[in-house]
Amino acid sequence: GAGVSQTPSNKVTEKGKYVELRCDPISGHTALYWYRQSLGQGPEFLIYFQGTGAADDSGLPNDRFFAVRPEGSVSTLKIQRTERGDSAVYLCASSPQGTGELFFGEGSRLTVL
Amino acid sequence: AQSVTQPDIHITVSEGASLELRCNYSYGATPYLFWYVQSPGQGLQLLLKYFSGDTLVQGIKGFEAEFKRSQSSFNLRKPSVHWSDAAEYFCAAQRAGSYQLTFGKGTKLSVIP
Repeated sequence: GAGVSQTPSNKVTEKGKYVELRCDPISGHTALYWYRQSLGQGPEFLIYFQGTGAADDSGLPNDRFFAVRPEGSVSTLKIQRTERGDSAVYLCASSPQGTGELFFGEGSRLTVL
Repeated sequence: AQSVTQPDIHITVSEGASLELRCNYSYGATPYLFWYVQSPGQGLQLLLKYFSGDTLVQGIKGFEAEFKRSQSSFNLRKPSVHWSDAAEYFCAAQRAGSYQLTFGKGTKLSVIP
């Protein structure tokens, strides 16, 4: 497809487990973002990549969260030692450049039991 | 701190009626402003954006928004609502030079046939 693809769409895990969420951006988009949306809230910024490097990771809540984009395309958000408070929808977006229109995926819903 | 406020959590309108969704921002300088729509099972989609210039901005699906500096507002309007407009609407702001979007908590729109 031509849009941003996120997998899995749903992930249920137990407290303390490790989780990986994948994002496949629109081909040719150099900018990639991760946001987190909790119930009843708007999306909150986590991290921004320009190419392979994390240009701004100031939104990551703590060192249990980490994201990579090794070849400048697909990105993986990694969460270690998951906690119940990590339960949310994790949104990925891409754009041709750093500002302007972001194209969002449908999100990965994470539930930590 | 930078913030975006959407005062209305839920709005219900009749099909064919006009619509106005409110958004206020609190930033040191005028940010870039956006409205996104989130429909069930779909990713966030950009409706319109304001960077500078004409304070009345036209978007997709018949939506428009007006920037008012004196009121720190960027309200979204549509003259005649269609049932397919039922969704959640998010106002967002971006400080110039930053790549982070700050979202409001959203307004859920219900449309009565």
